[in-house]
Amino acid sequence: QVQLQESGPGLVKASETLSLTCSVSGSYVSSGSYYWSWVRQPPGKGLEWIGYVYYSGSTNYNPSLTSRVTISLDTSRNEFSLKLSSVTTADTAVYYCARILEDYYYGSGDYFKYFDYWGQGTLVTVSS
Amino acid sequence: DIQVTQSPSSLSASVGDRVTITCRASQIITRSLNWYQQKPRQAPKLVIAVASSLQSGVPSRFSGSGSGTDFTLTISNLQPEDFAIYYCQQSYSIPWTFGQGTKVEMK
Repeated sequence: QVQLQESGPGLVKASETLSLTCSVSGSYVSSGSYYWSWVRQPPGKGLEWIGYVYYSGSTNYNPSLTSRVTISLDTSRNEFSLKLSSVTTADTAVYYCARILEDYYYGSGDYFKYFDYWGQGTLVTVSS
Repeated sequence: DIQVTQSPSSLSASVGDRVTITCRASQIITRSLNWYQQKPRQAPKLVIAVASSLQSGVPSRFSGSGSGTDFTLTISNLQPEDFAIYYCQQSYSIPWTFGQGTKVEMK
């Protein structure tokens, strides 16, 4: 059974760096079948994709955050992490880690990606 | 960025009703459209992937359709556990984007 669990400080001061870790069980971050992602949700609002990392270490980030975000893997611990620098109160949100499955559809010959497993989420509050 | 616009933003329905939520993308995204269900204080849960692929364990009363720019999530015979917020999400191009959500409430 695949499980993801976020961990990290629940309170971060403005201008500092938010750091979260996602521990994975039942799946391997070193597997080429999956990507590993972070998604956030400000209180009472919708979902925002932050970025993802592949087993090779290659990354893709939301351009709105790319200057401040780093997502990396630790294959020895089967974890991946998020660092978001220079935070402001606008970064207050529930942060979710999620696994992305890349699926091949023979009918169209295309690859499609989607979030198939999610962590429970962790609230990070940025204090001014 | 590709915008995905859901409608309606909320709806009221009764148990046993048929509910339809639509998602429109600002440009063609082929079938790269997924649907998630989120209940209060829970993480989103994948319901439909690639426009119409029902996920394992999800009841067959859920169905998805569409391609290109227009997509639909249908819940037939609405059950009490289906009251939630539903989000569509495109994975066609970076940045991946979510719709603003549709809240399905009990009438």
